[in-house]
Amino acid sequence: AQKVTQAQTEISVVEKEDVTLDCVYETRDTTYYLFWYKQPPSGELVFLIRRNSFDEQNEISGRYSWNFQKSTSSFNFTITASQVVDSAVYFCALSEAPNAGKSTFGDGTTLTVKP
Amino acid sequence: GAGVSQSPRYKVAKRGQDVALRCDPISGHVSLFWYQQALGQGPEFLTYFQNEAQLDKSGLPSDRFFAERPEGSVSTLKIQRTQQEDSAVYLCASSVKDGYEQYFGPGTRLTVT
Repeated sequence: AQKVTQAQTEISVVEKEDVTLDCVYETRDTTYYLFWYKQPPSGELVFLIRRNSFDEQNEISGRYSWNFQKSTSSFNFTITASQVVDSAVYFCALSEAPNAGKSTFGDGTTLTVKP
Repeated sequence: GAGVSQSPRYKVAKRGQDVALRCDPISGHVSLFWYQQALGQGPEFLTYFQNEAQLDKSGLPSDRFFAERPEGSVSTLKIQRTQQEDSAVYLCASSVKDGYEQYFGPGTRLTVT
């Protein structure tokens, strides 16, 4: 059974600090997909990144970076030089092939960036 | 282009009433998903469609919940004889295919009194 754990319920940082959001997953499949979504106070979930299980390359997109490590079943998300607009709830999610339509989400990490 | 839309945005129902929640996915998206999100929690999978075929409904909490997507586009989630525990935000999402990123609608907040 697939499971996603986001152990950090809430994180508070001051603007310009770097912050890492942890995501640990459980799966028995060798083919799976990992995602991060952002849910700002307005409520609508926004897609950030998708990774498949065969691609362990880390990715950087502006101030965002992701570290995927199959050895520790982790897919962590780092925001560099955080900004107030980064304040939101961040969700990590997992889909297993072949039933990749069924996604399991973690409970989310609420990030507050203070000015 | 237009994103995923849901209607109504808010719904108040008396216990025992039936409700119907509508989702308009992004045009051309094959896969459509329904989730239930309780306050302070992540979205919980309910069901998903590939075109008009409902491929997985394992997350539907009871036989009072029913979803359809008859023409492979618009979908409706119906809840019969609503109960207080059905109060939640119901999210719809669509994607180009399974395993790809999902685009979410704003949700329908259902309150059962």
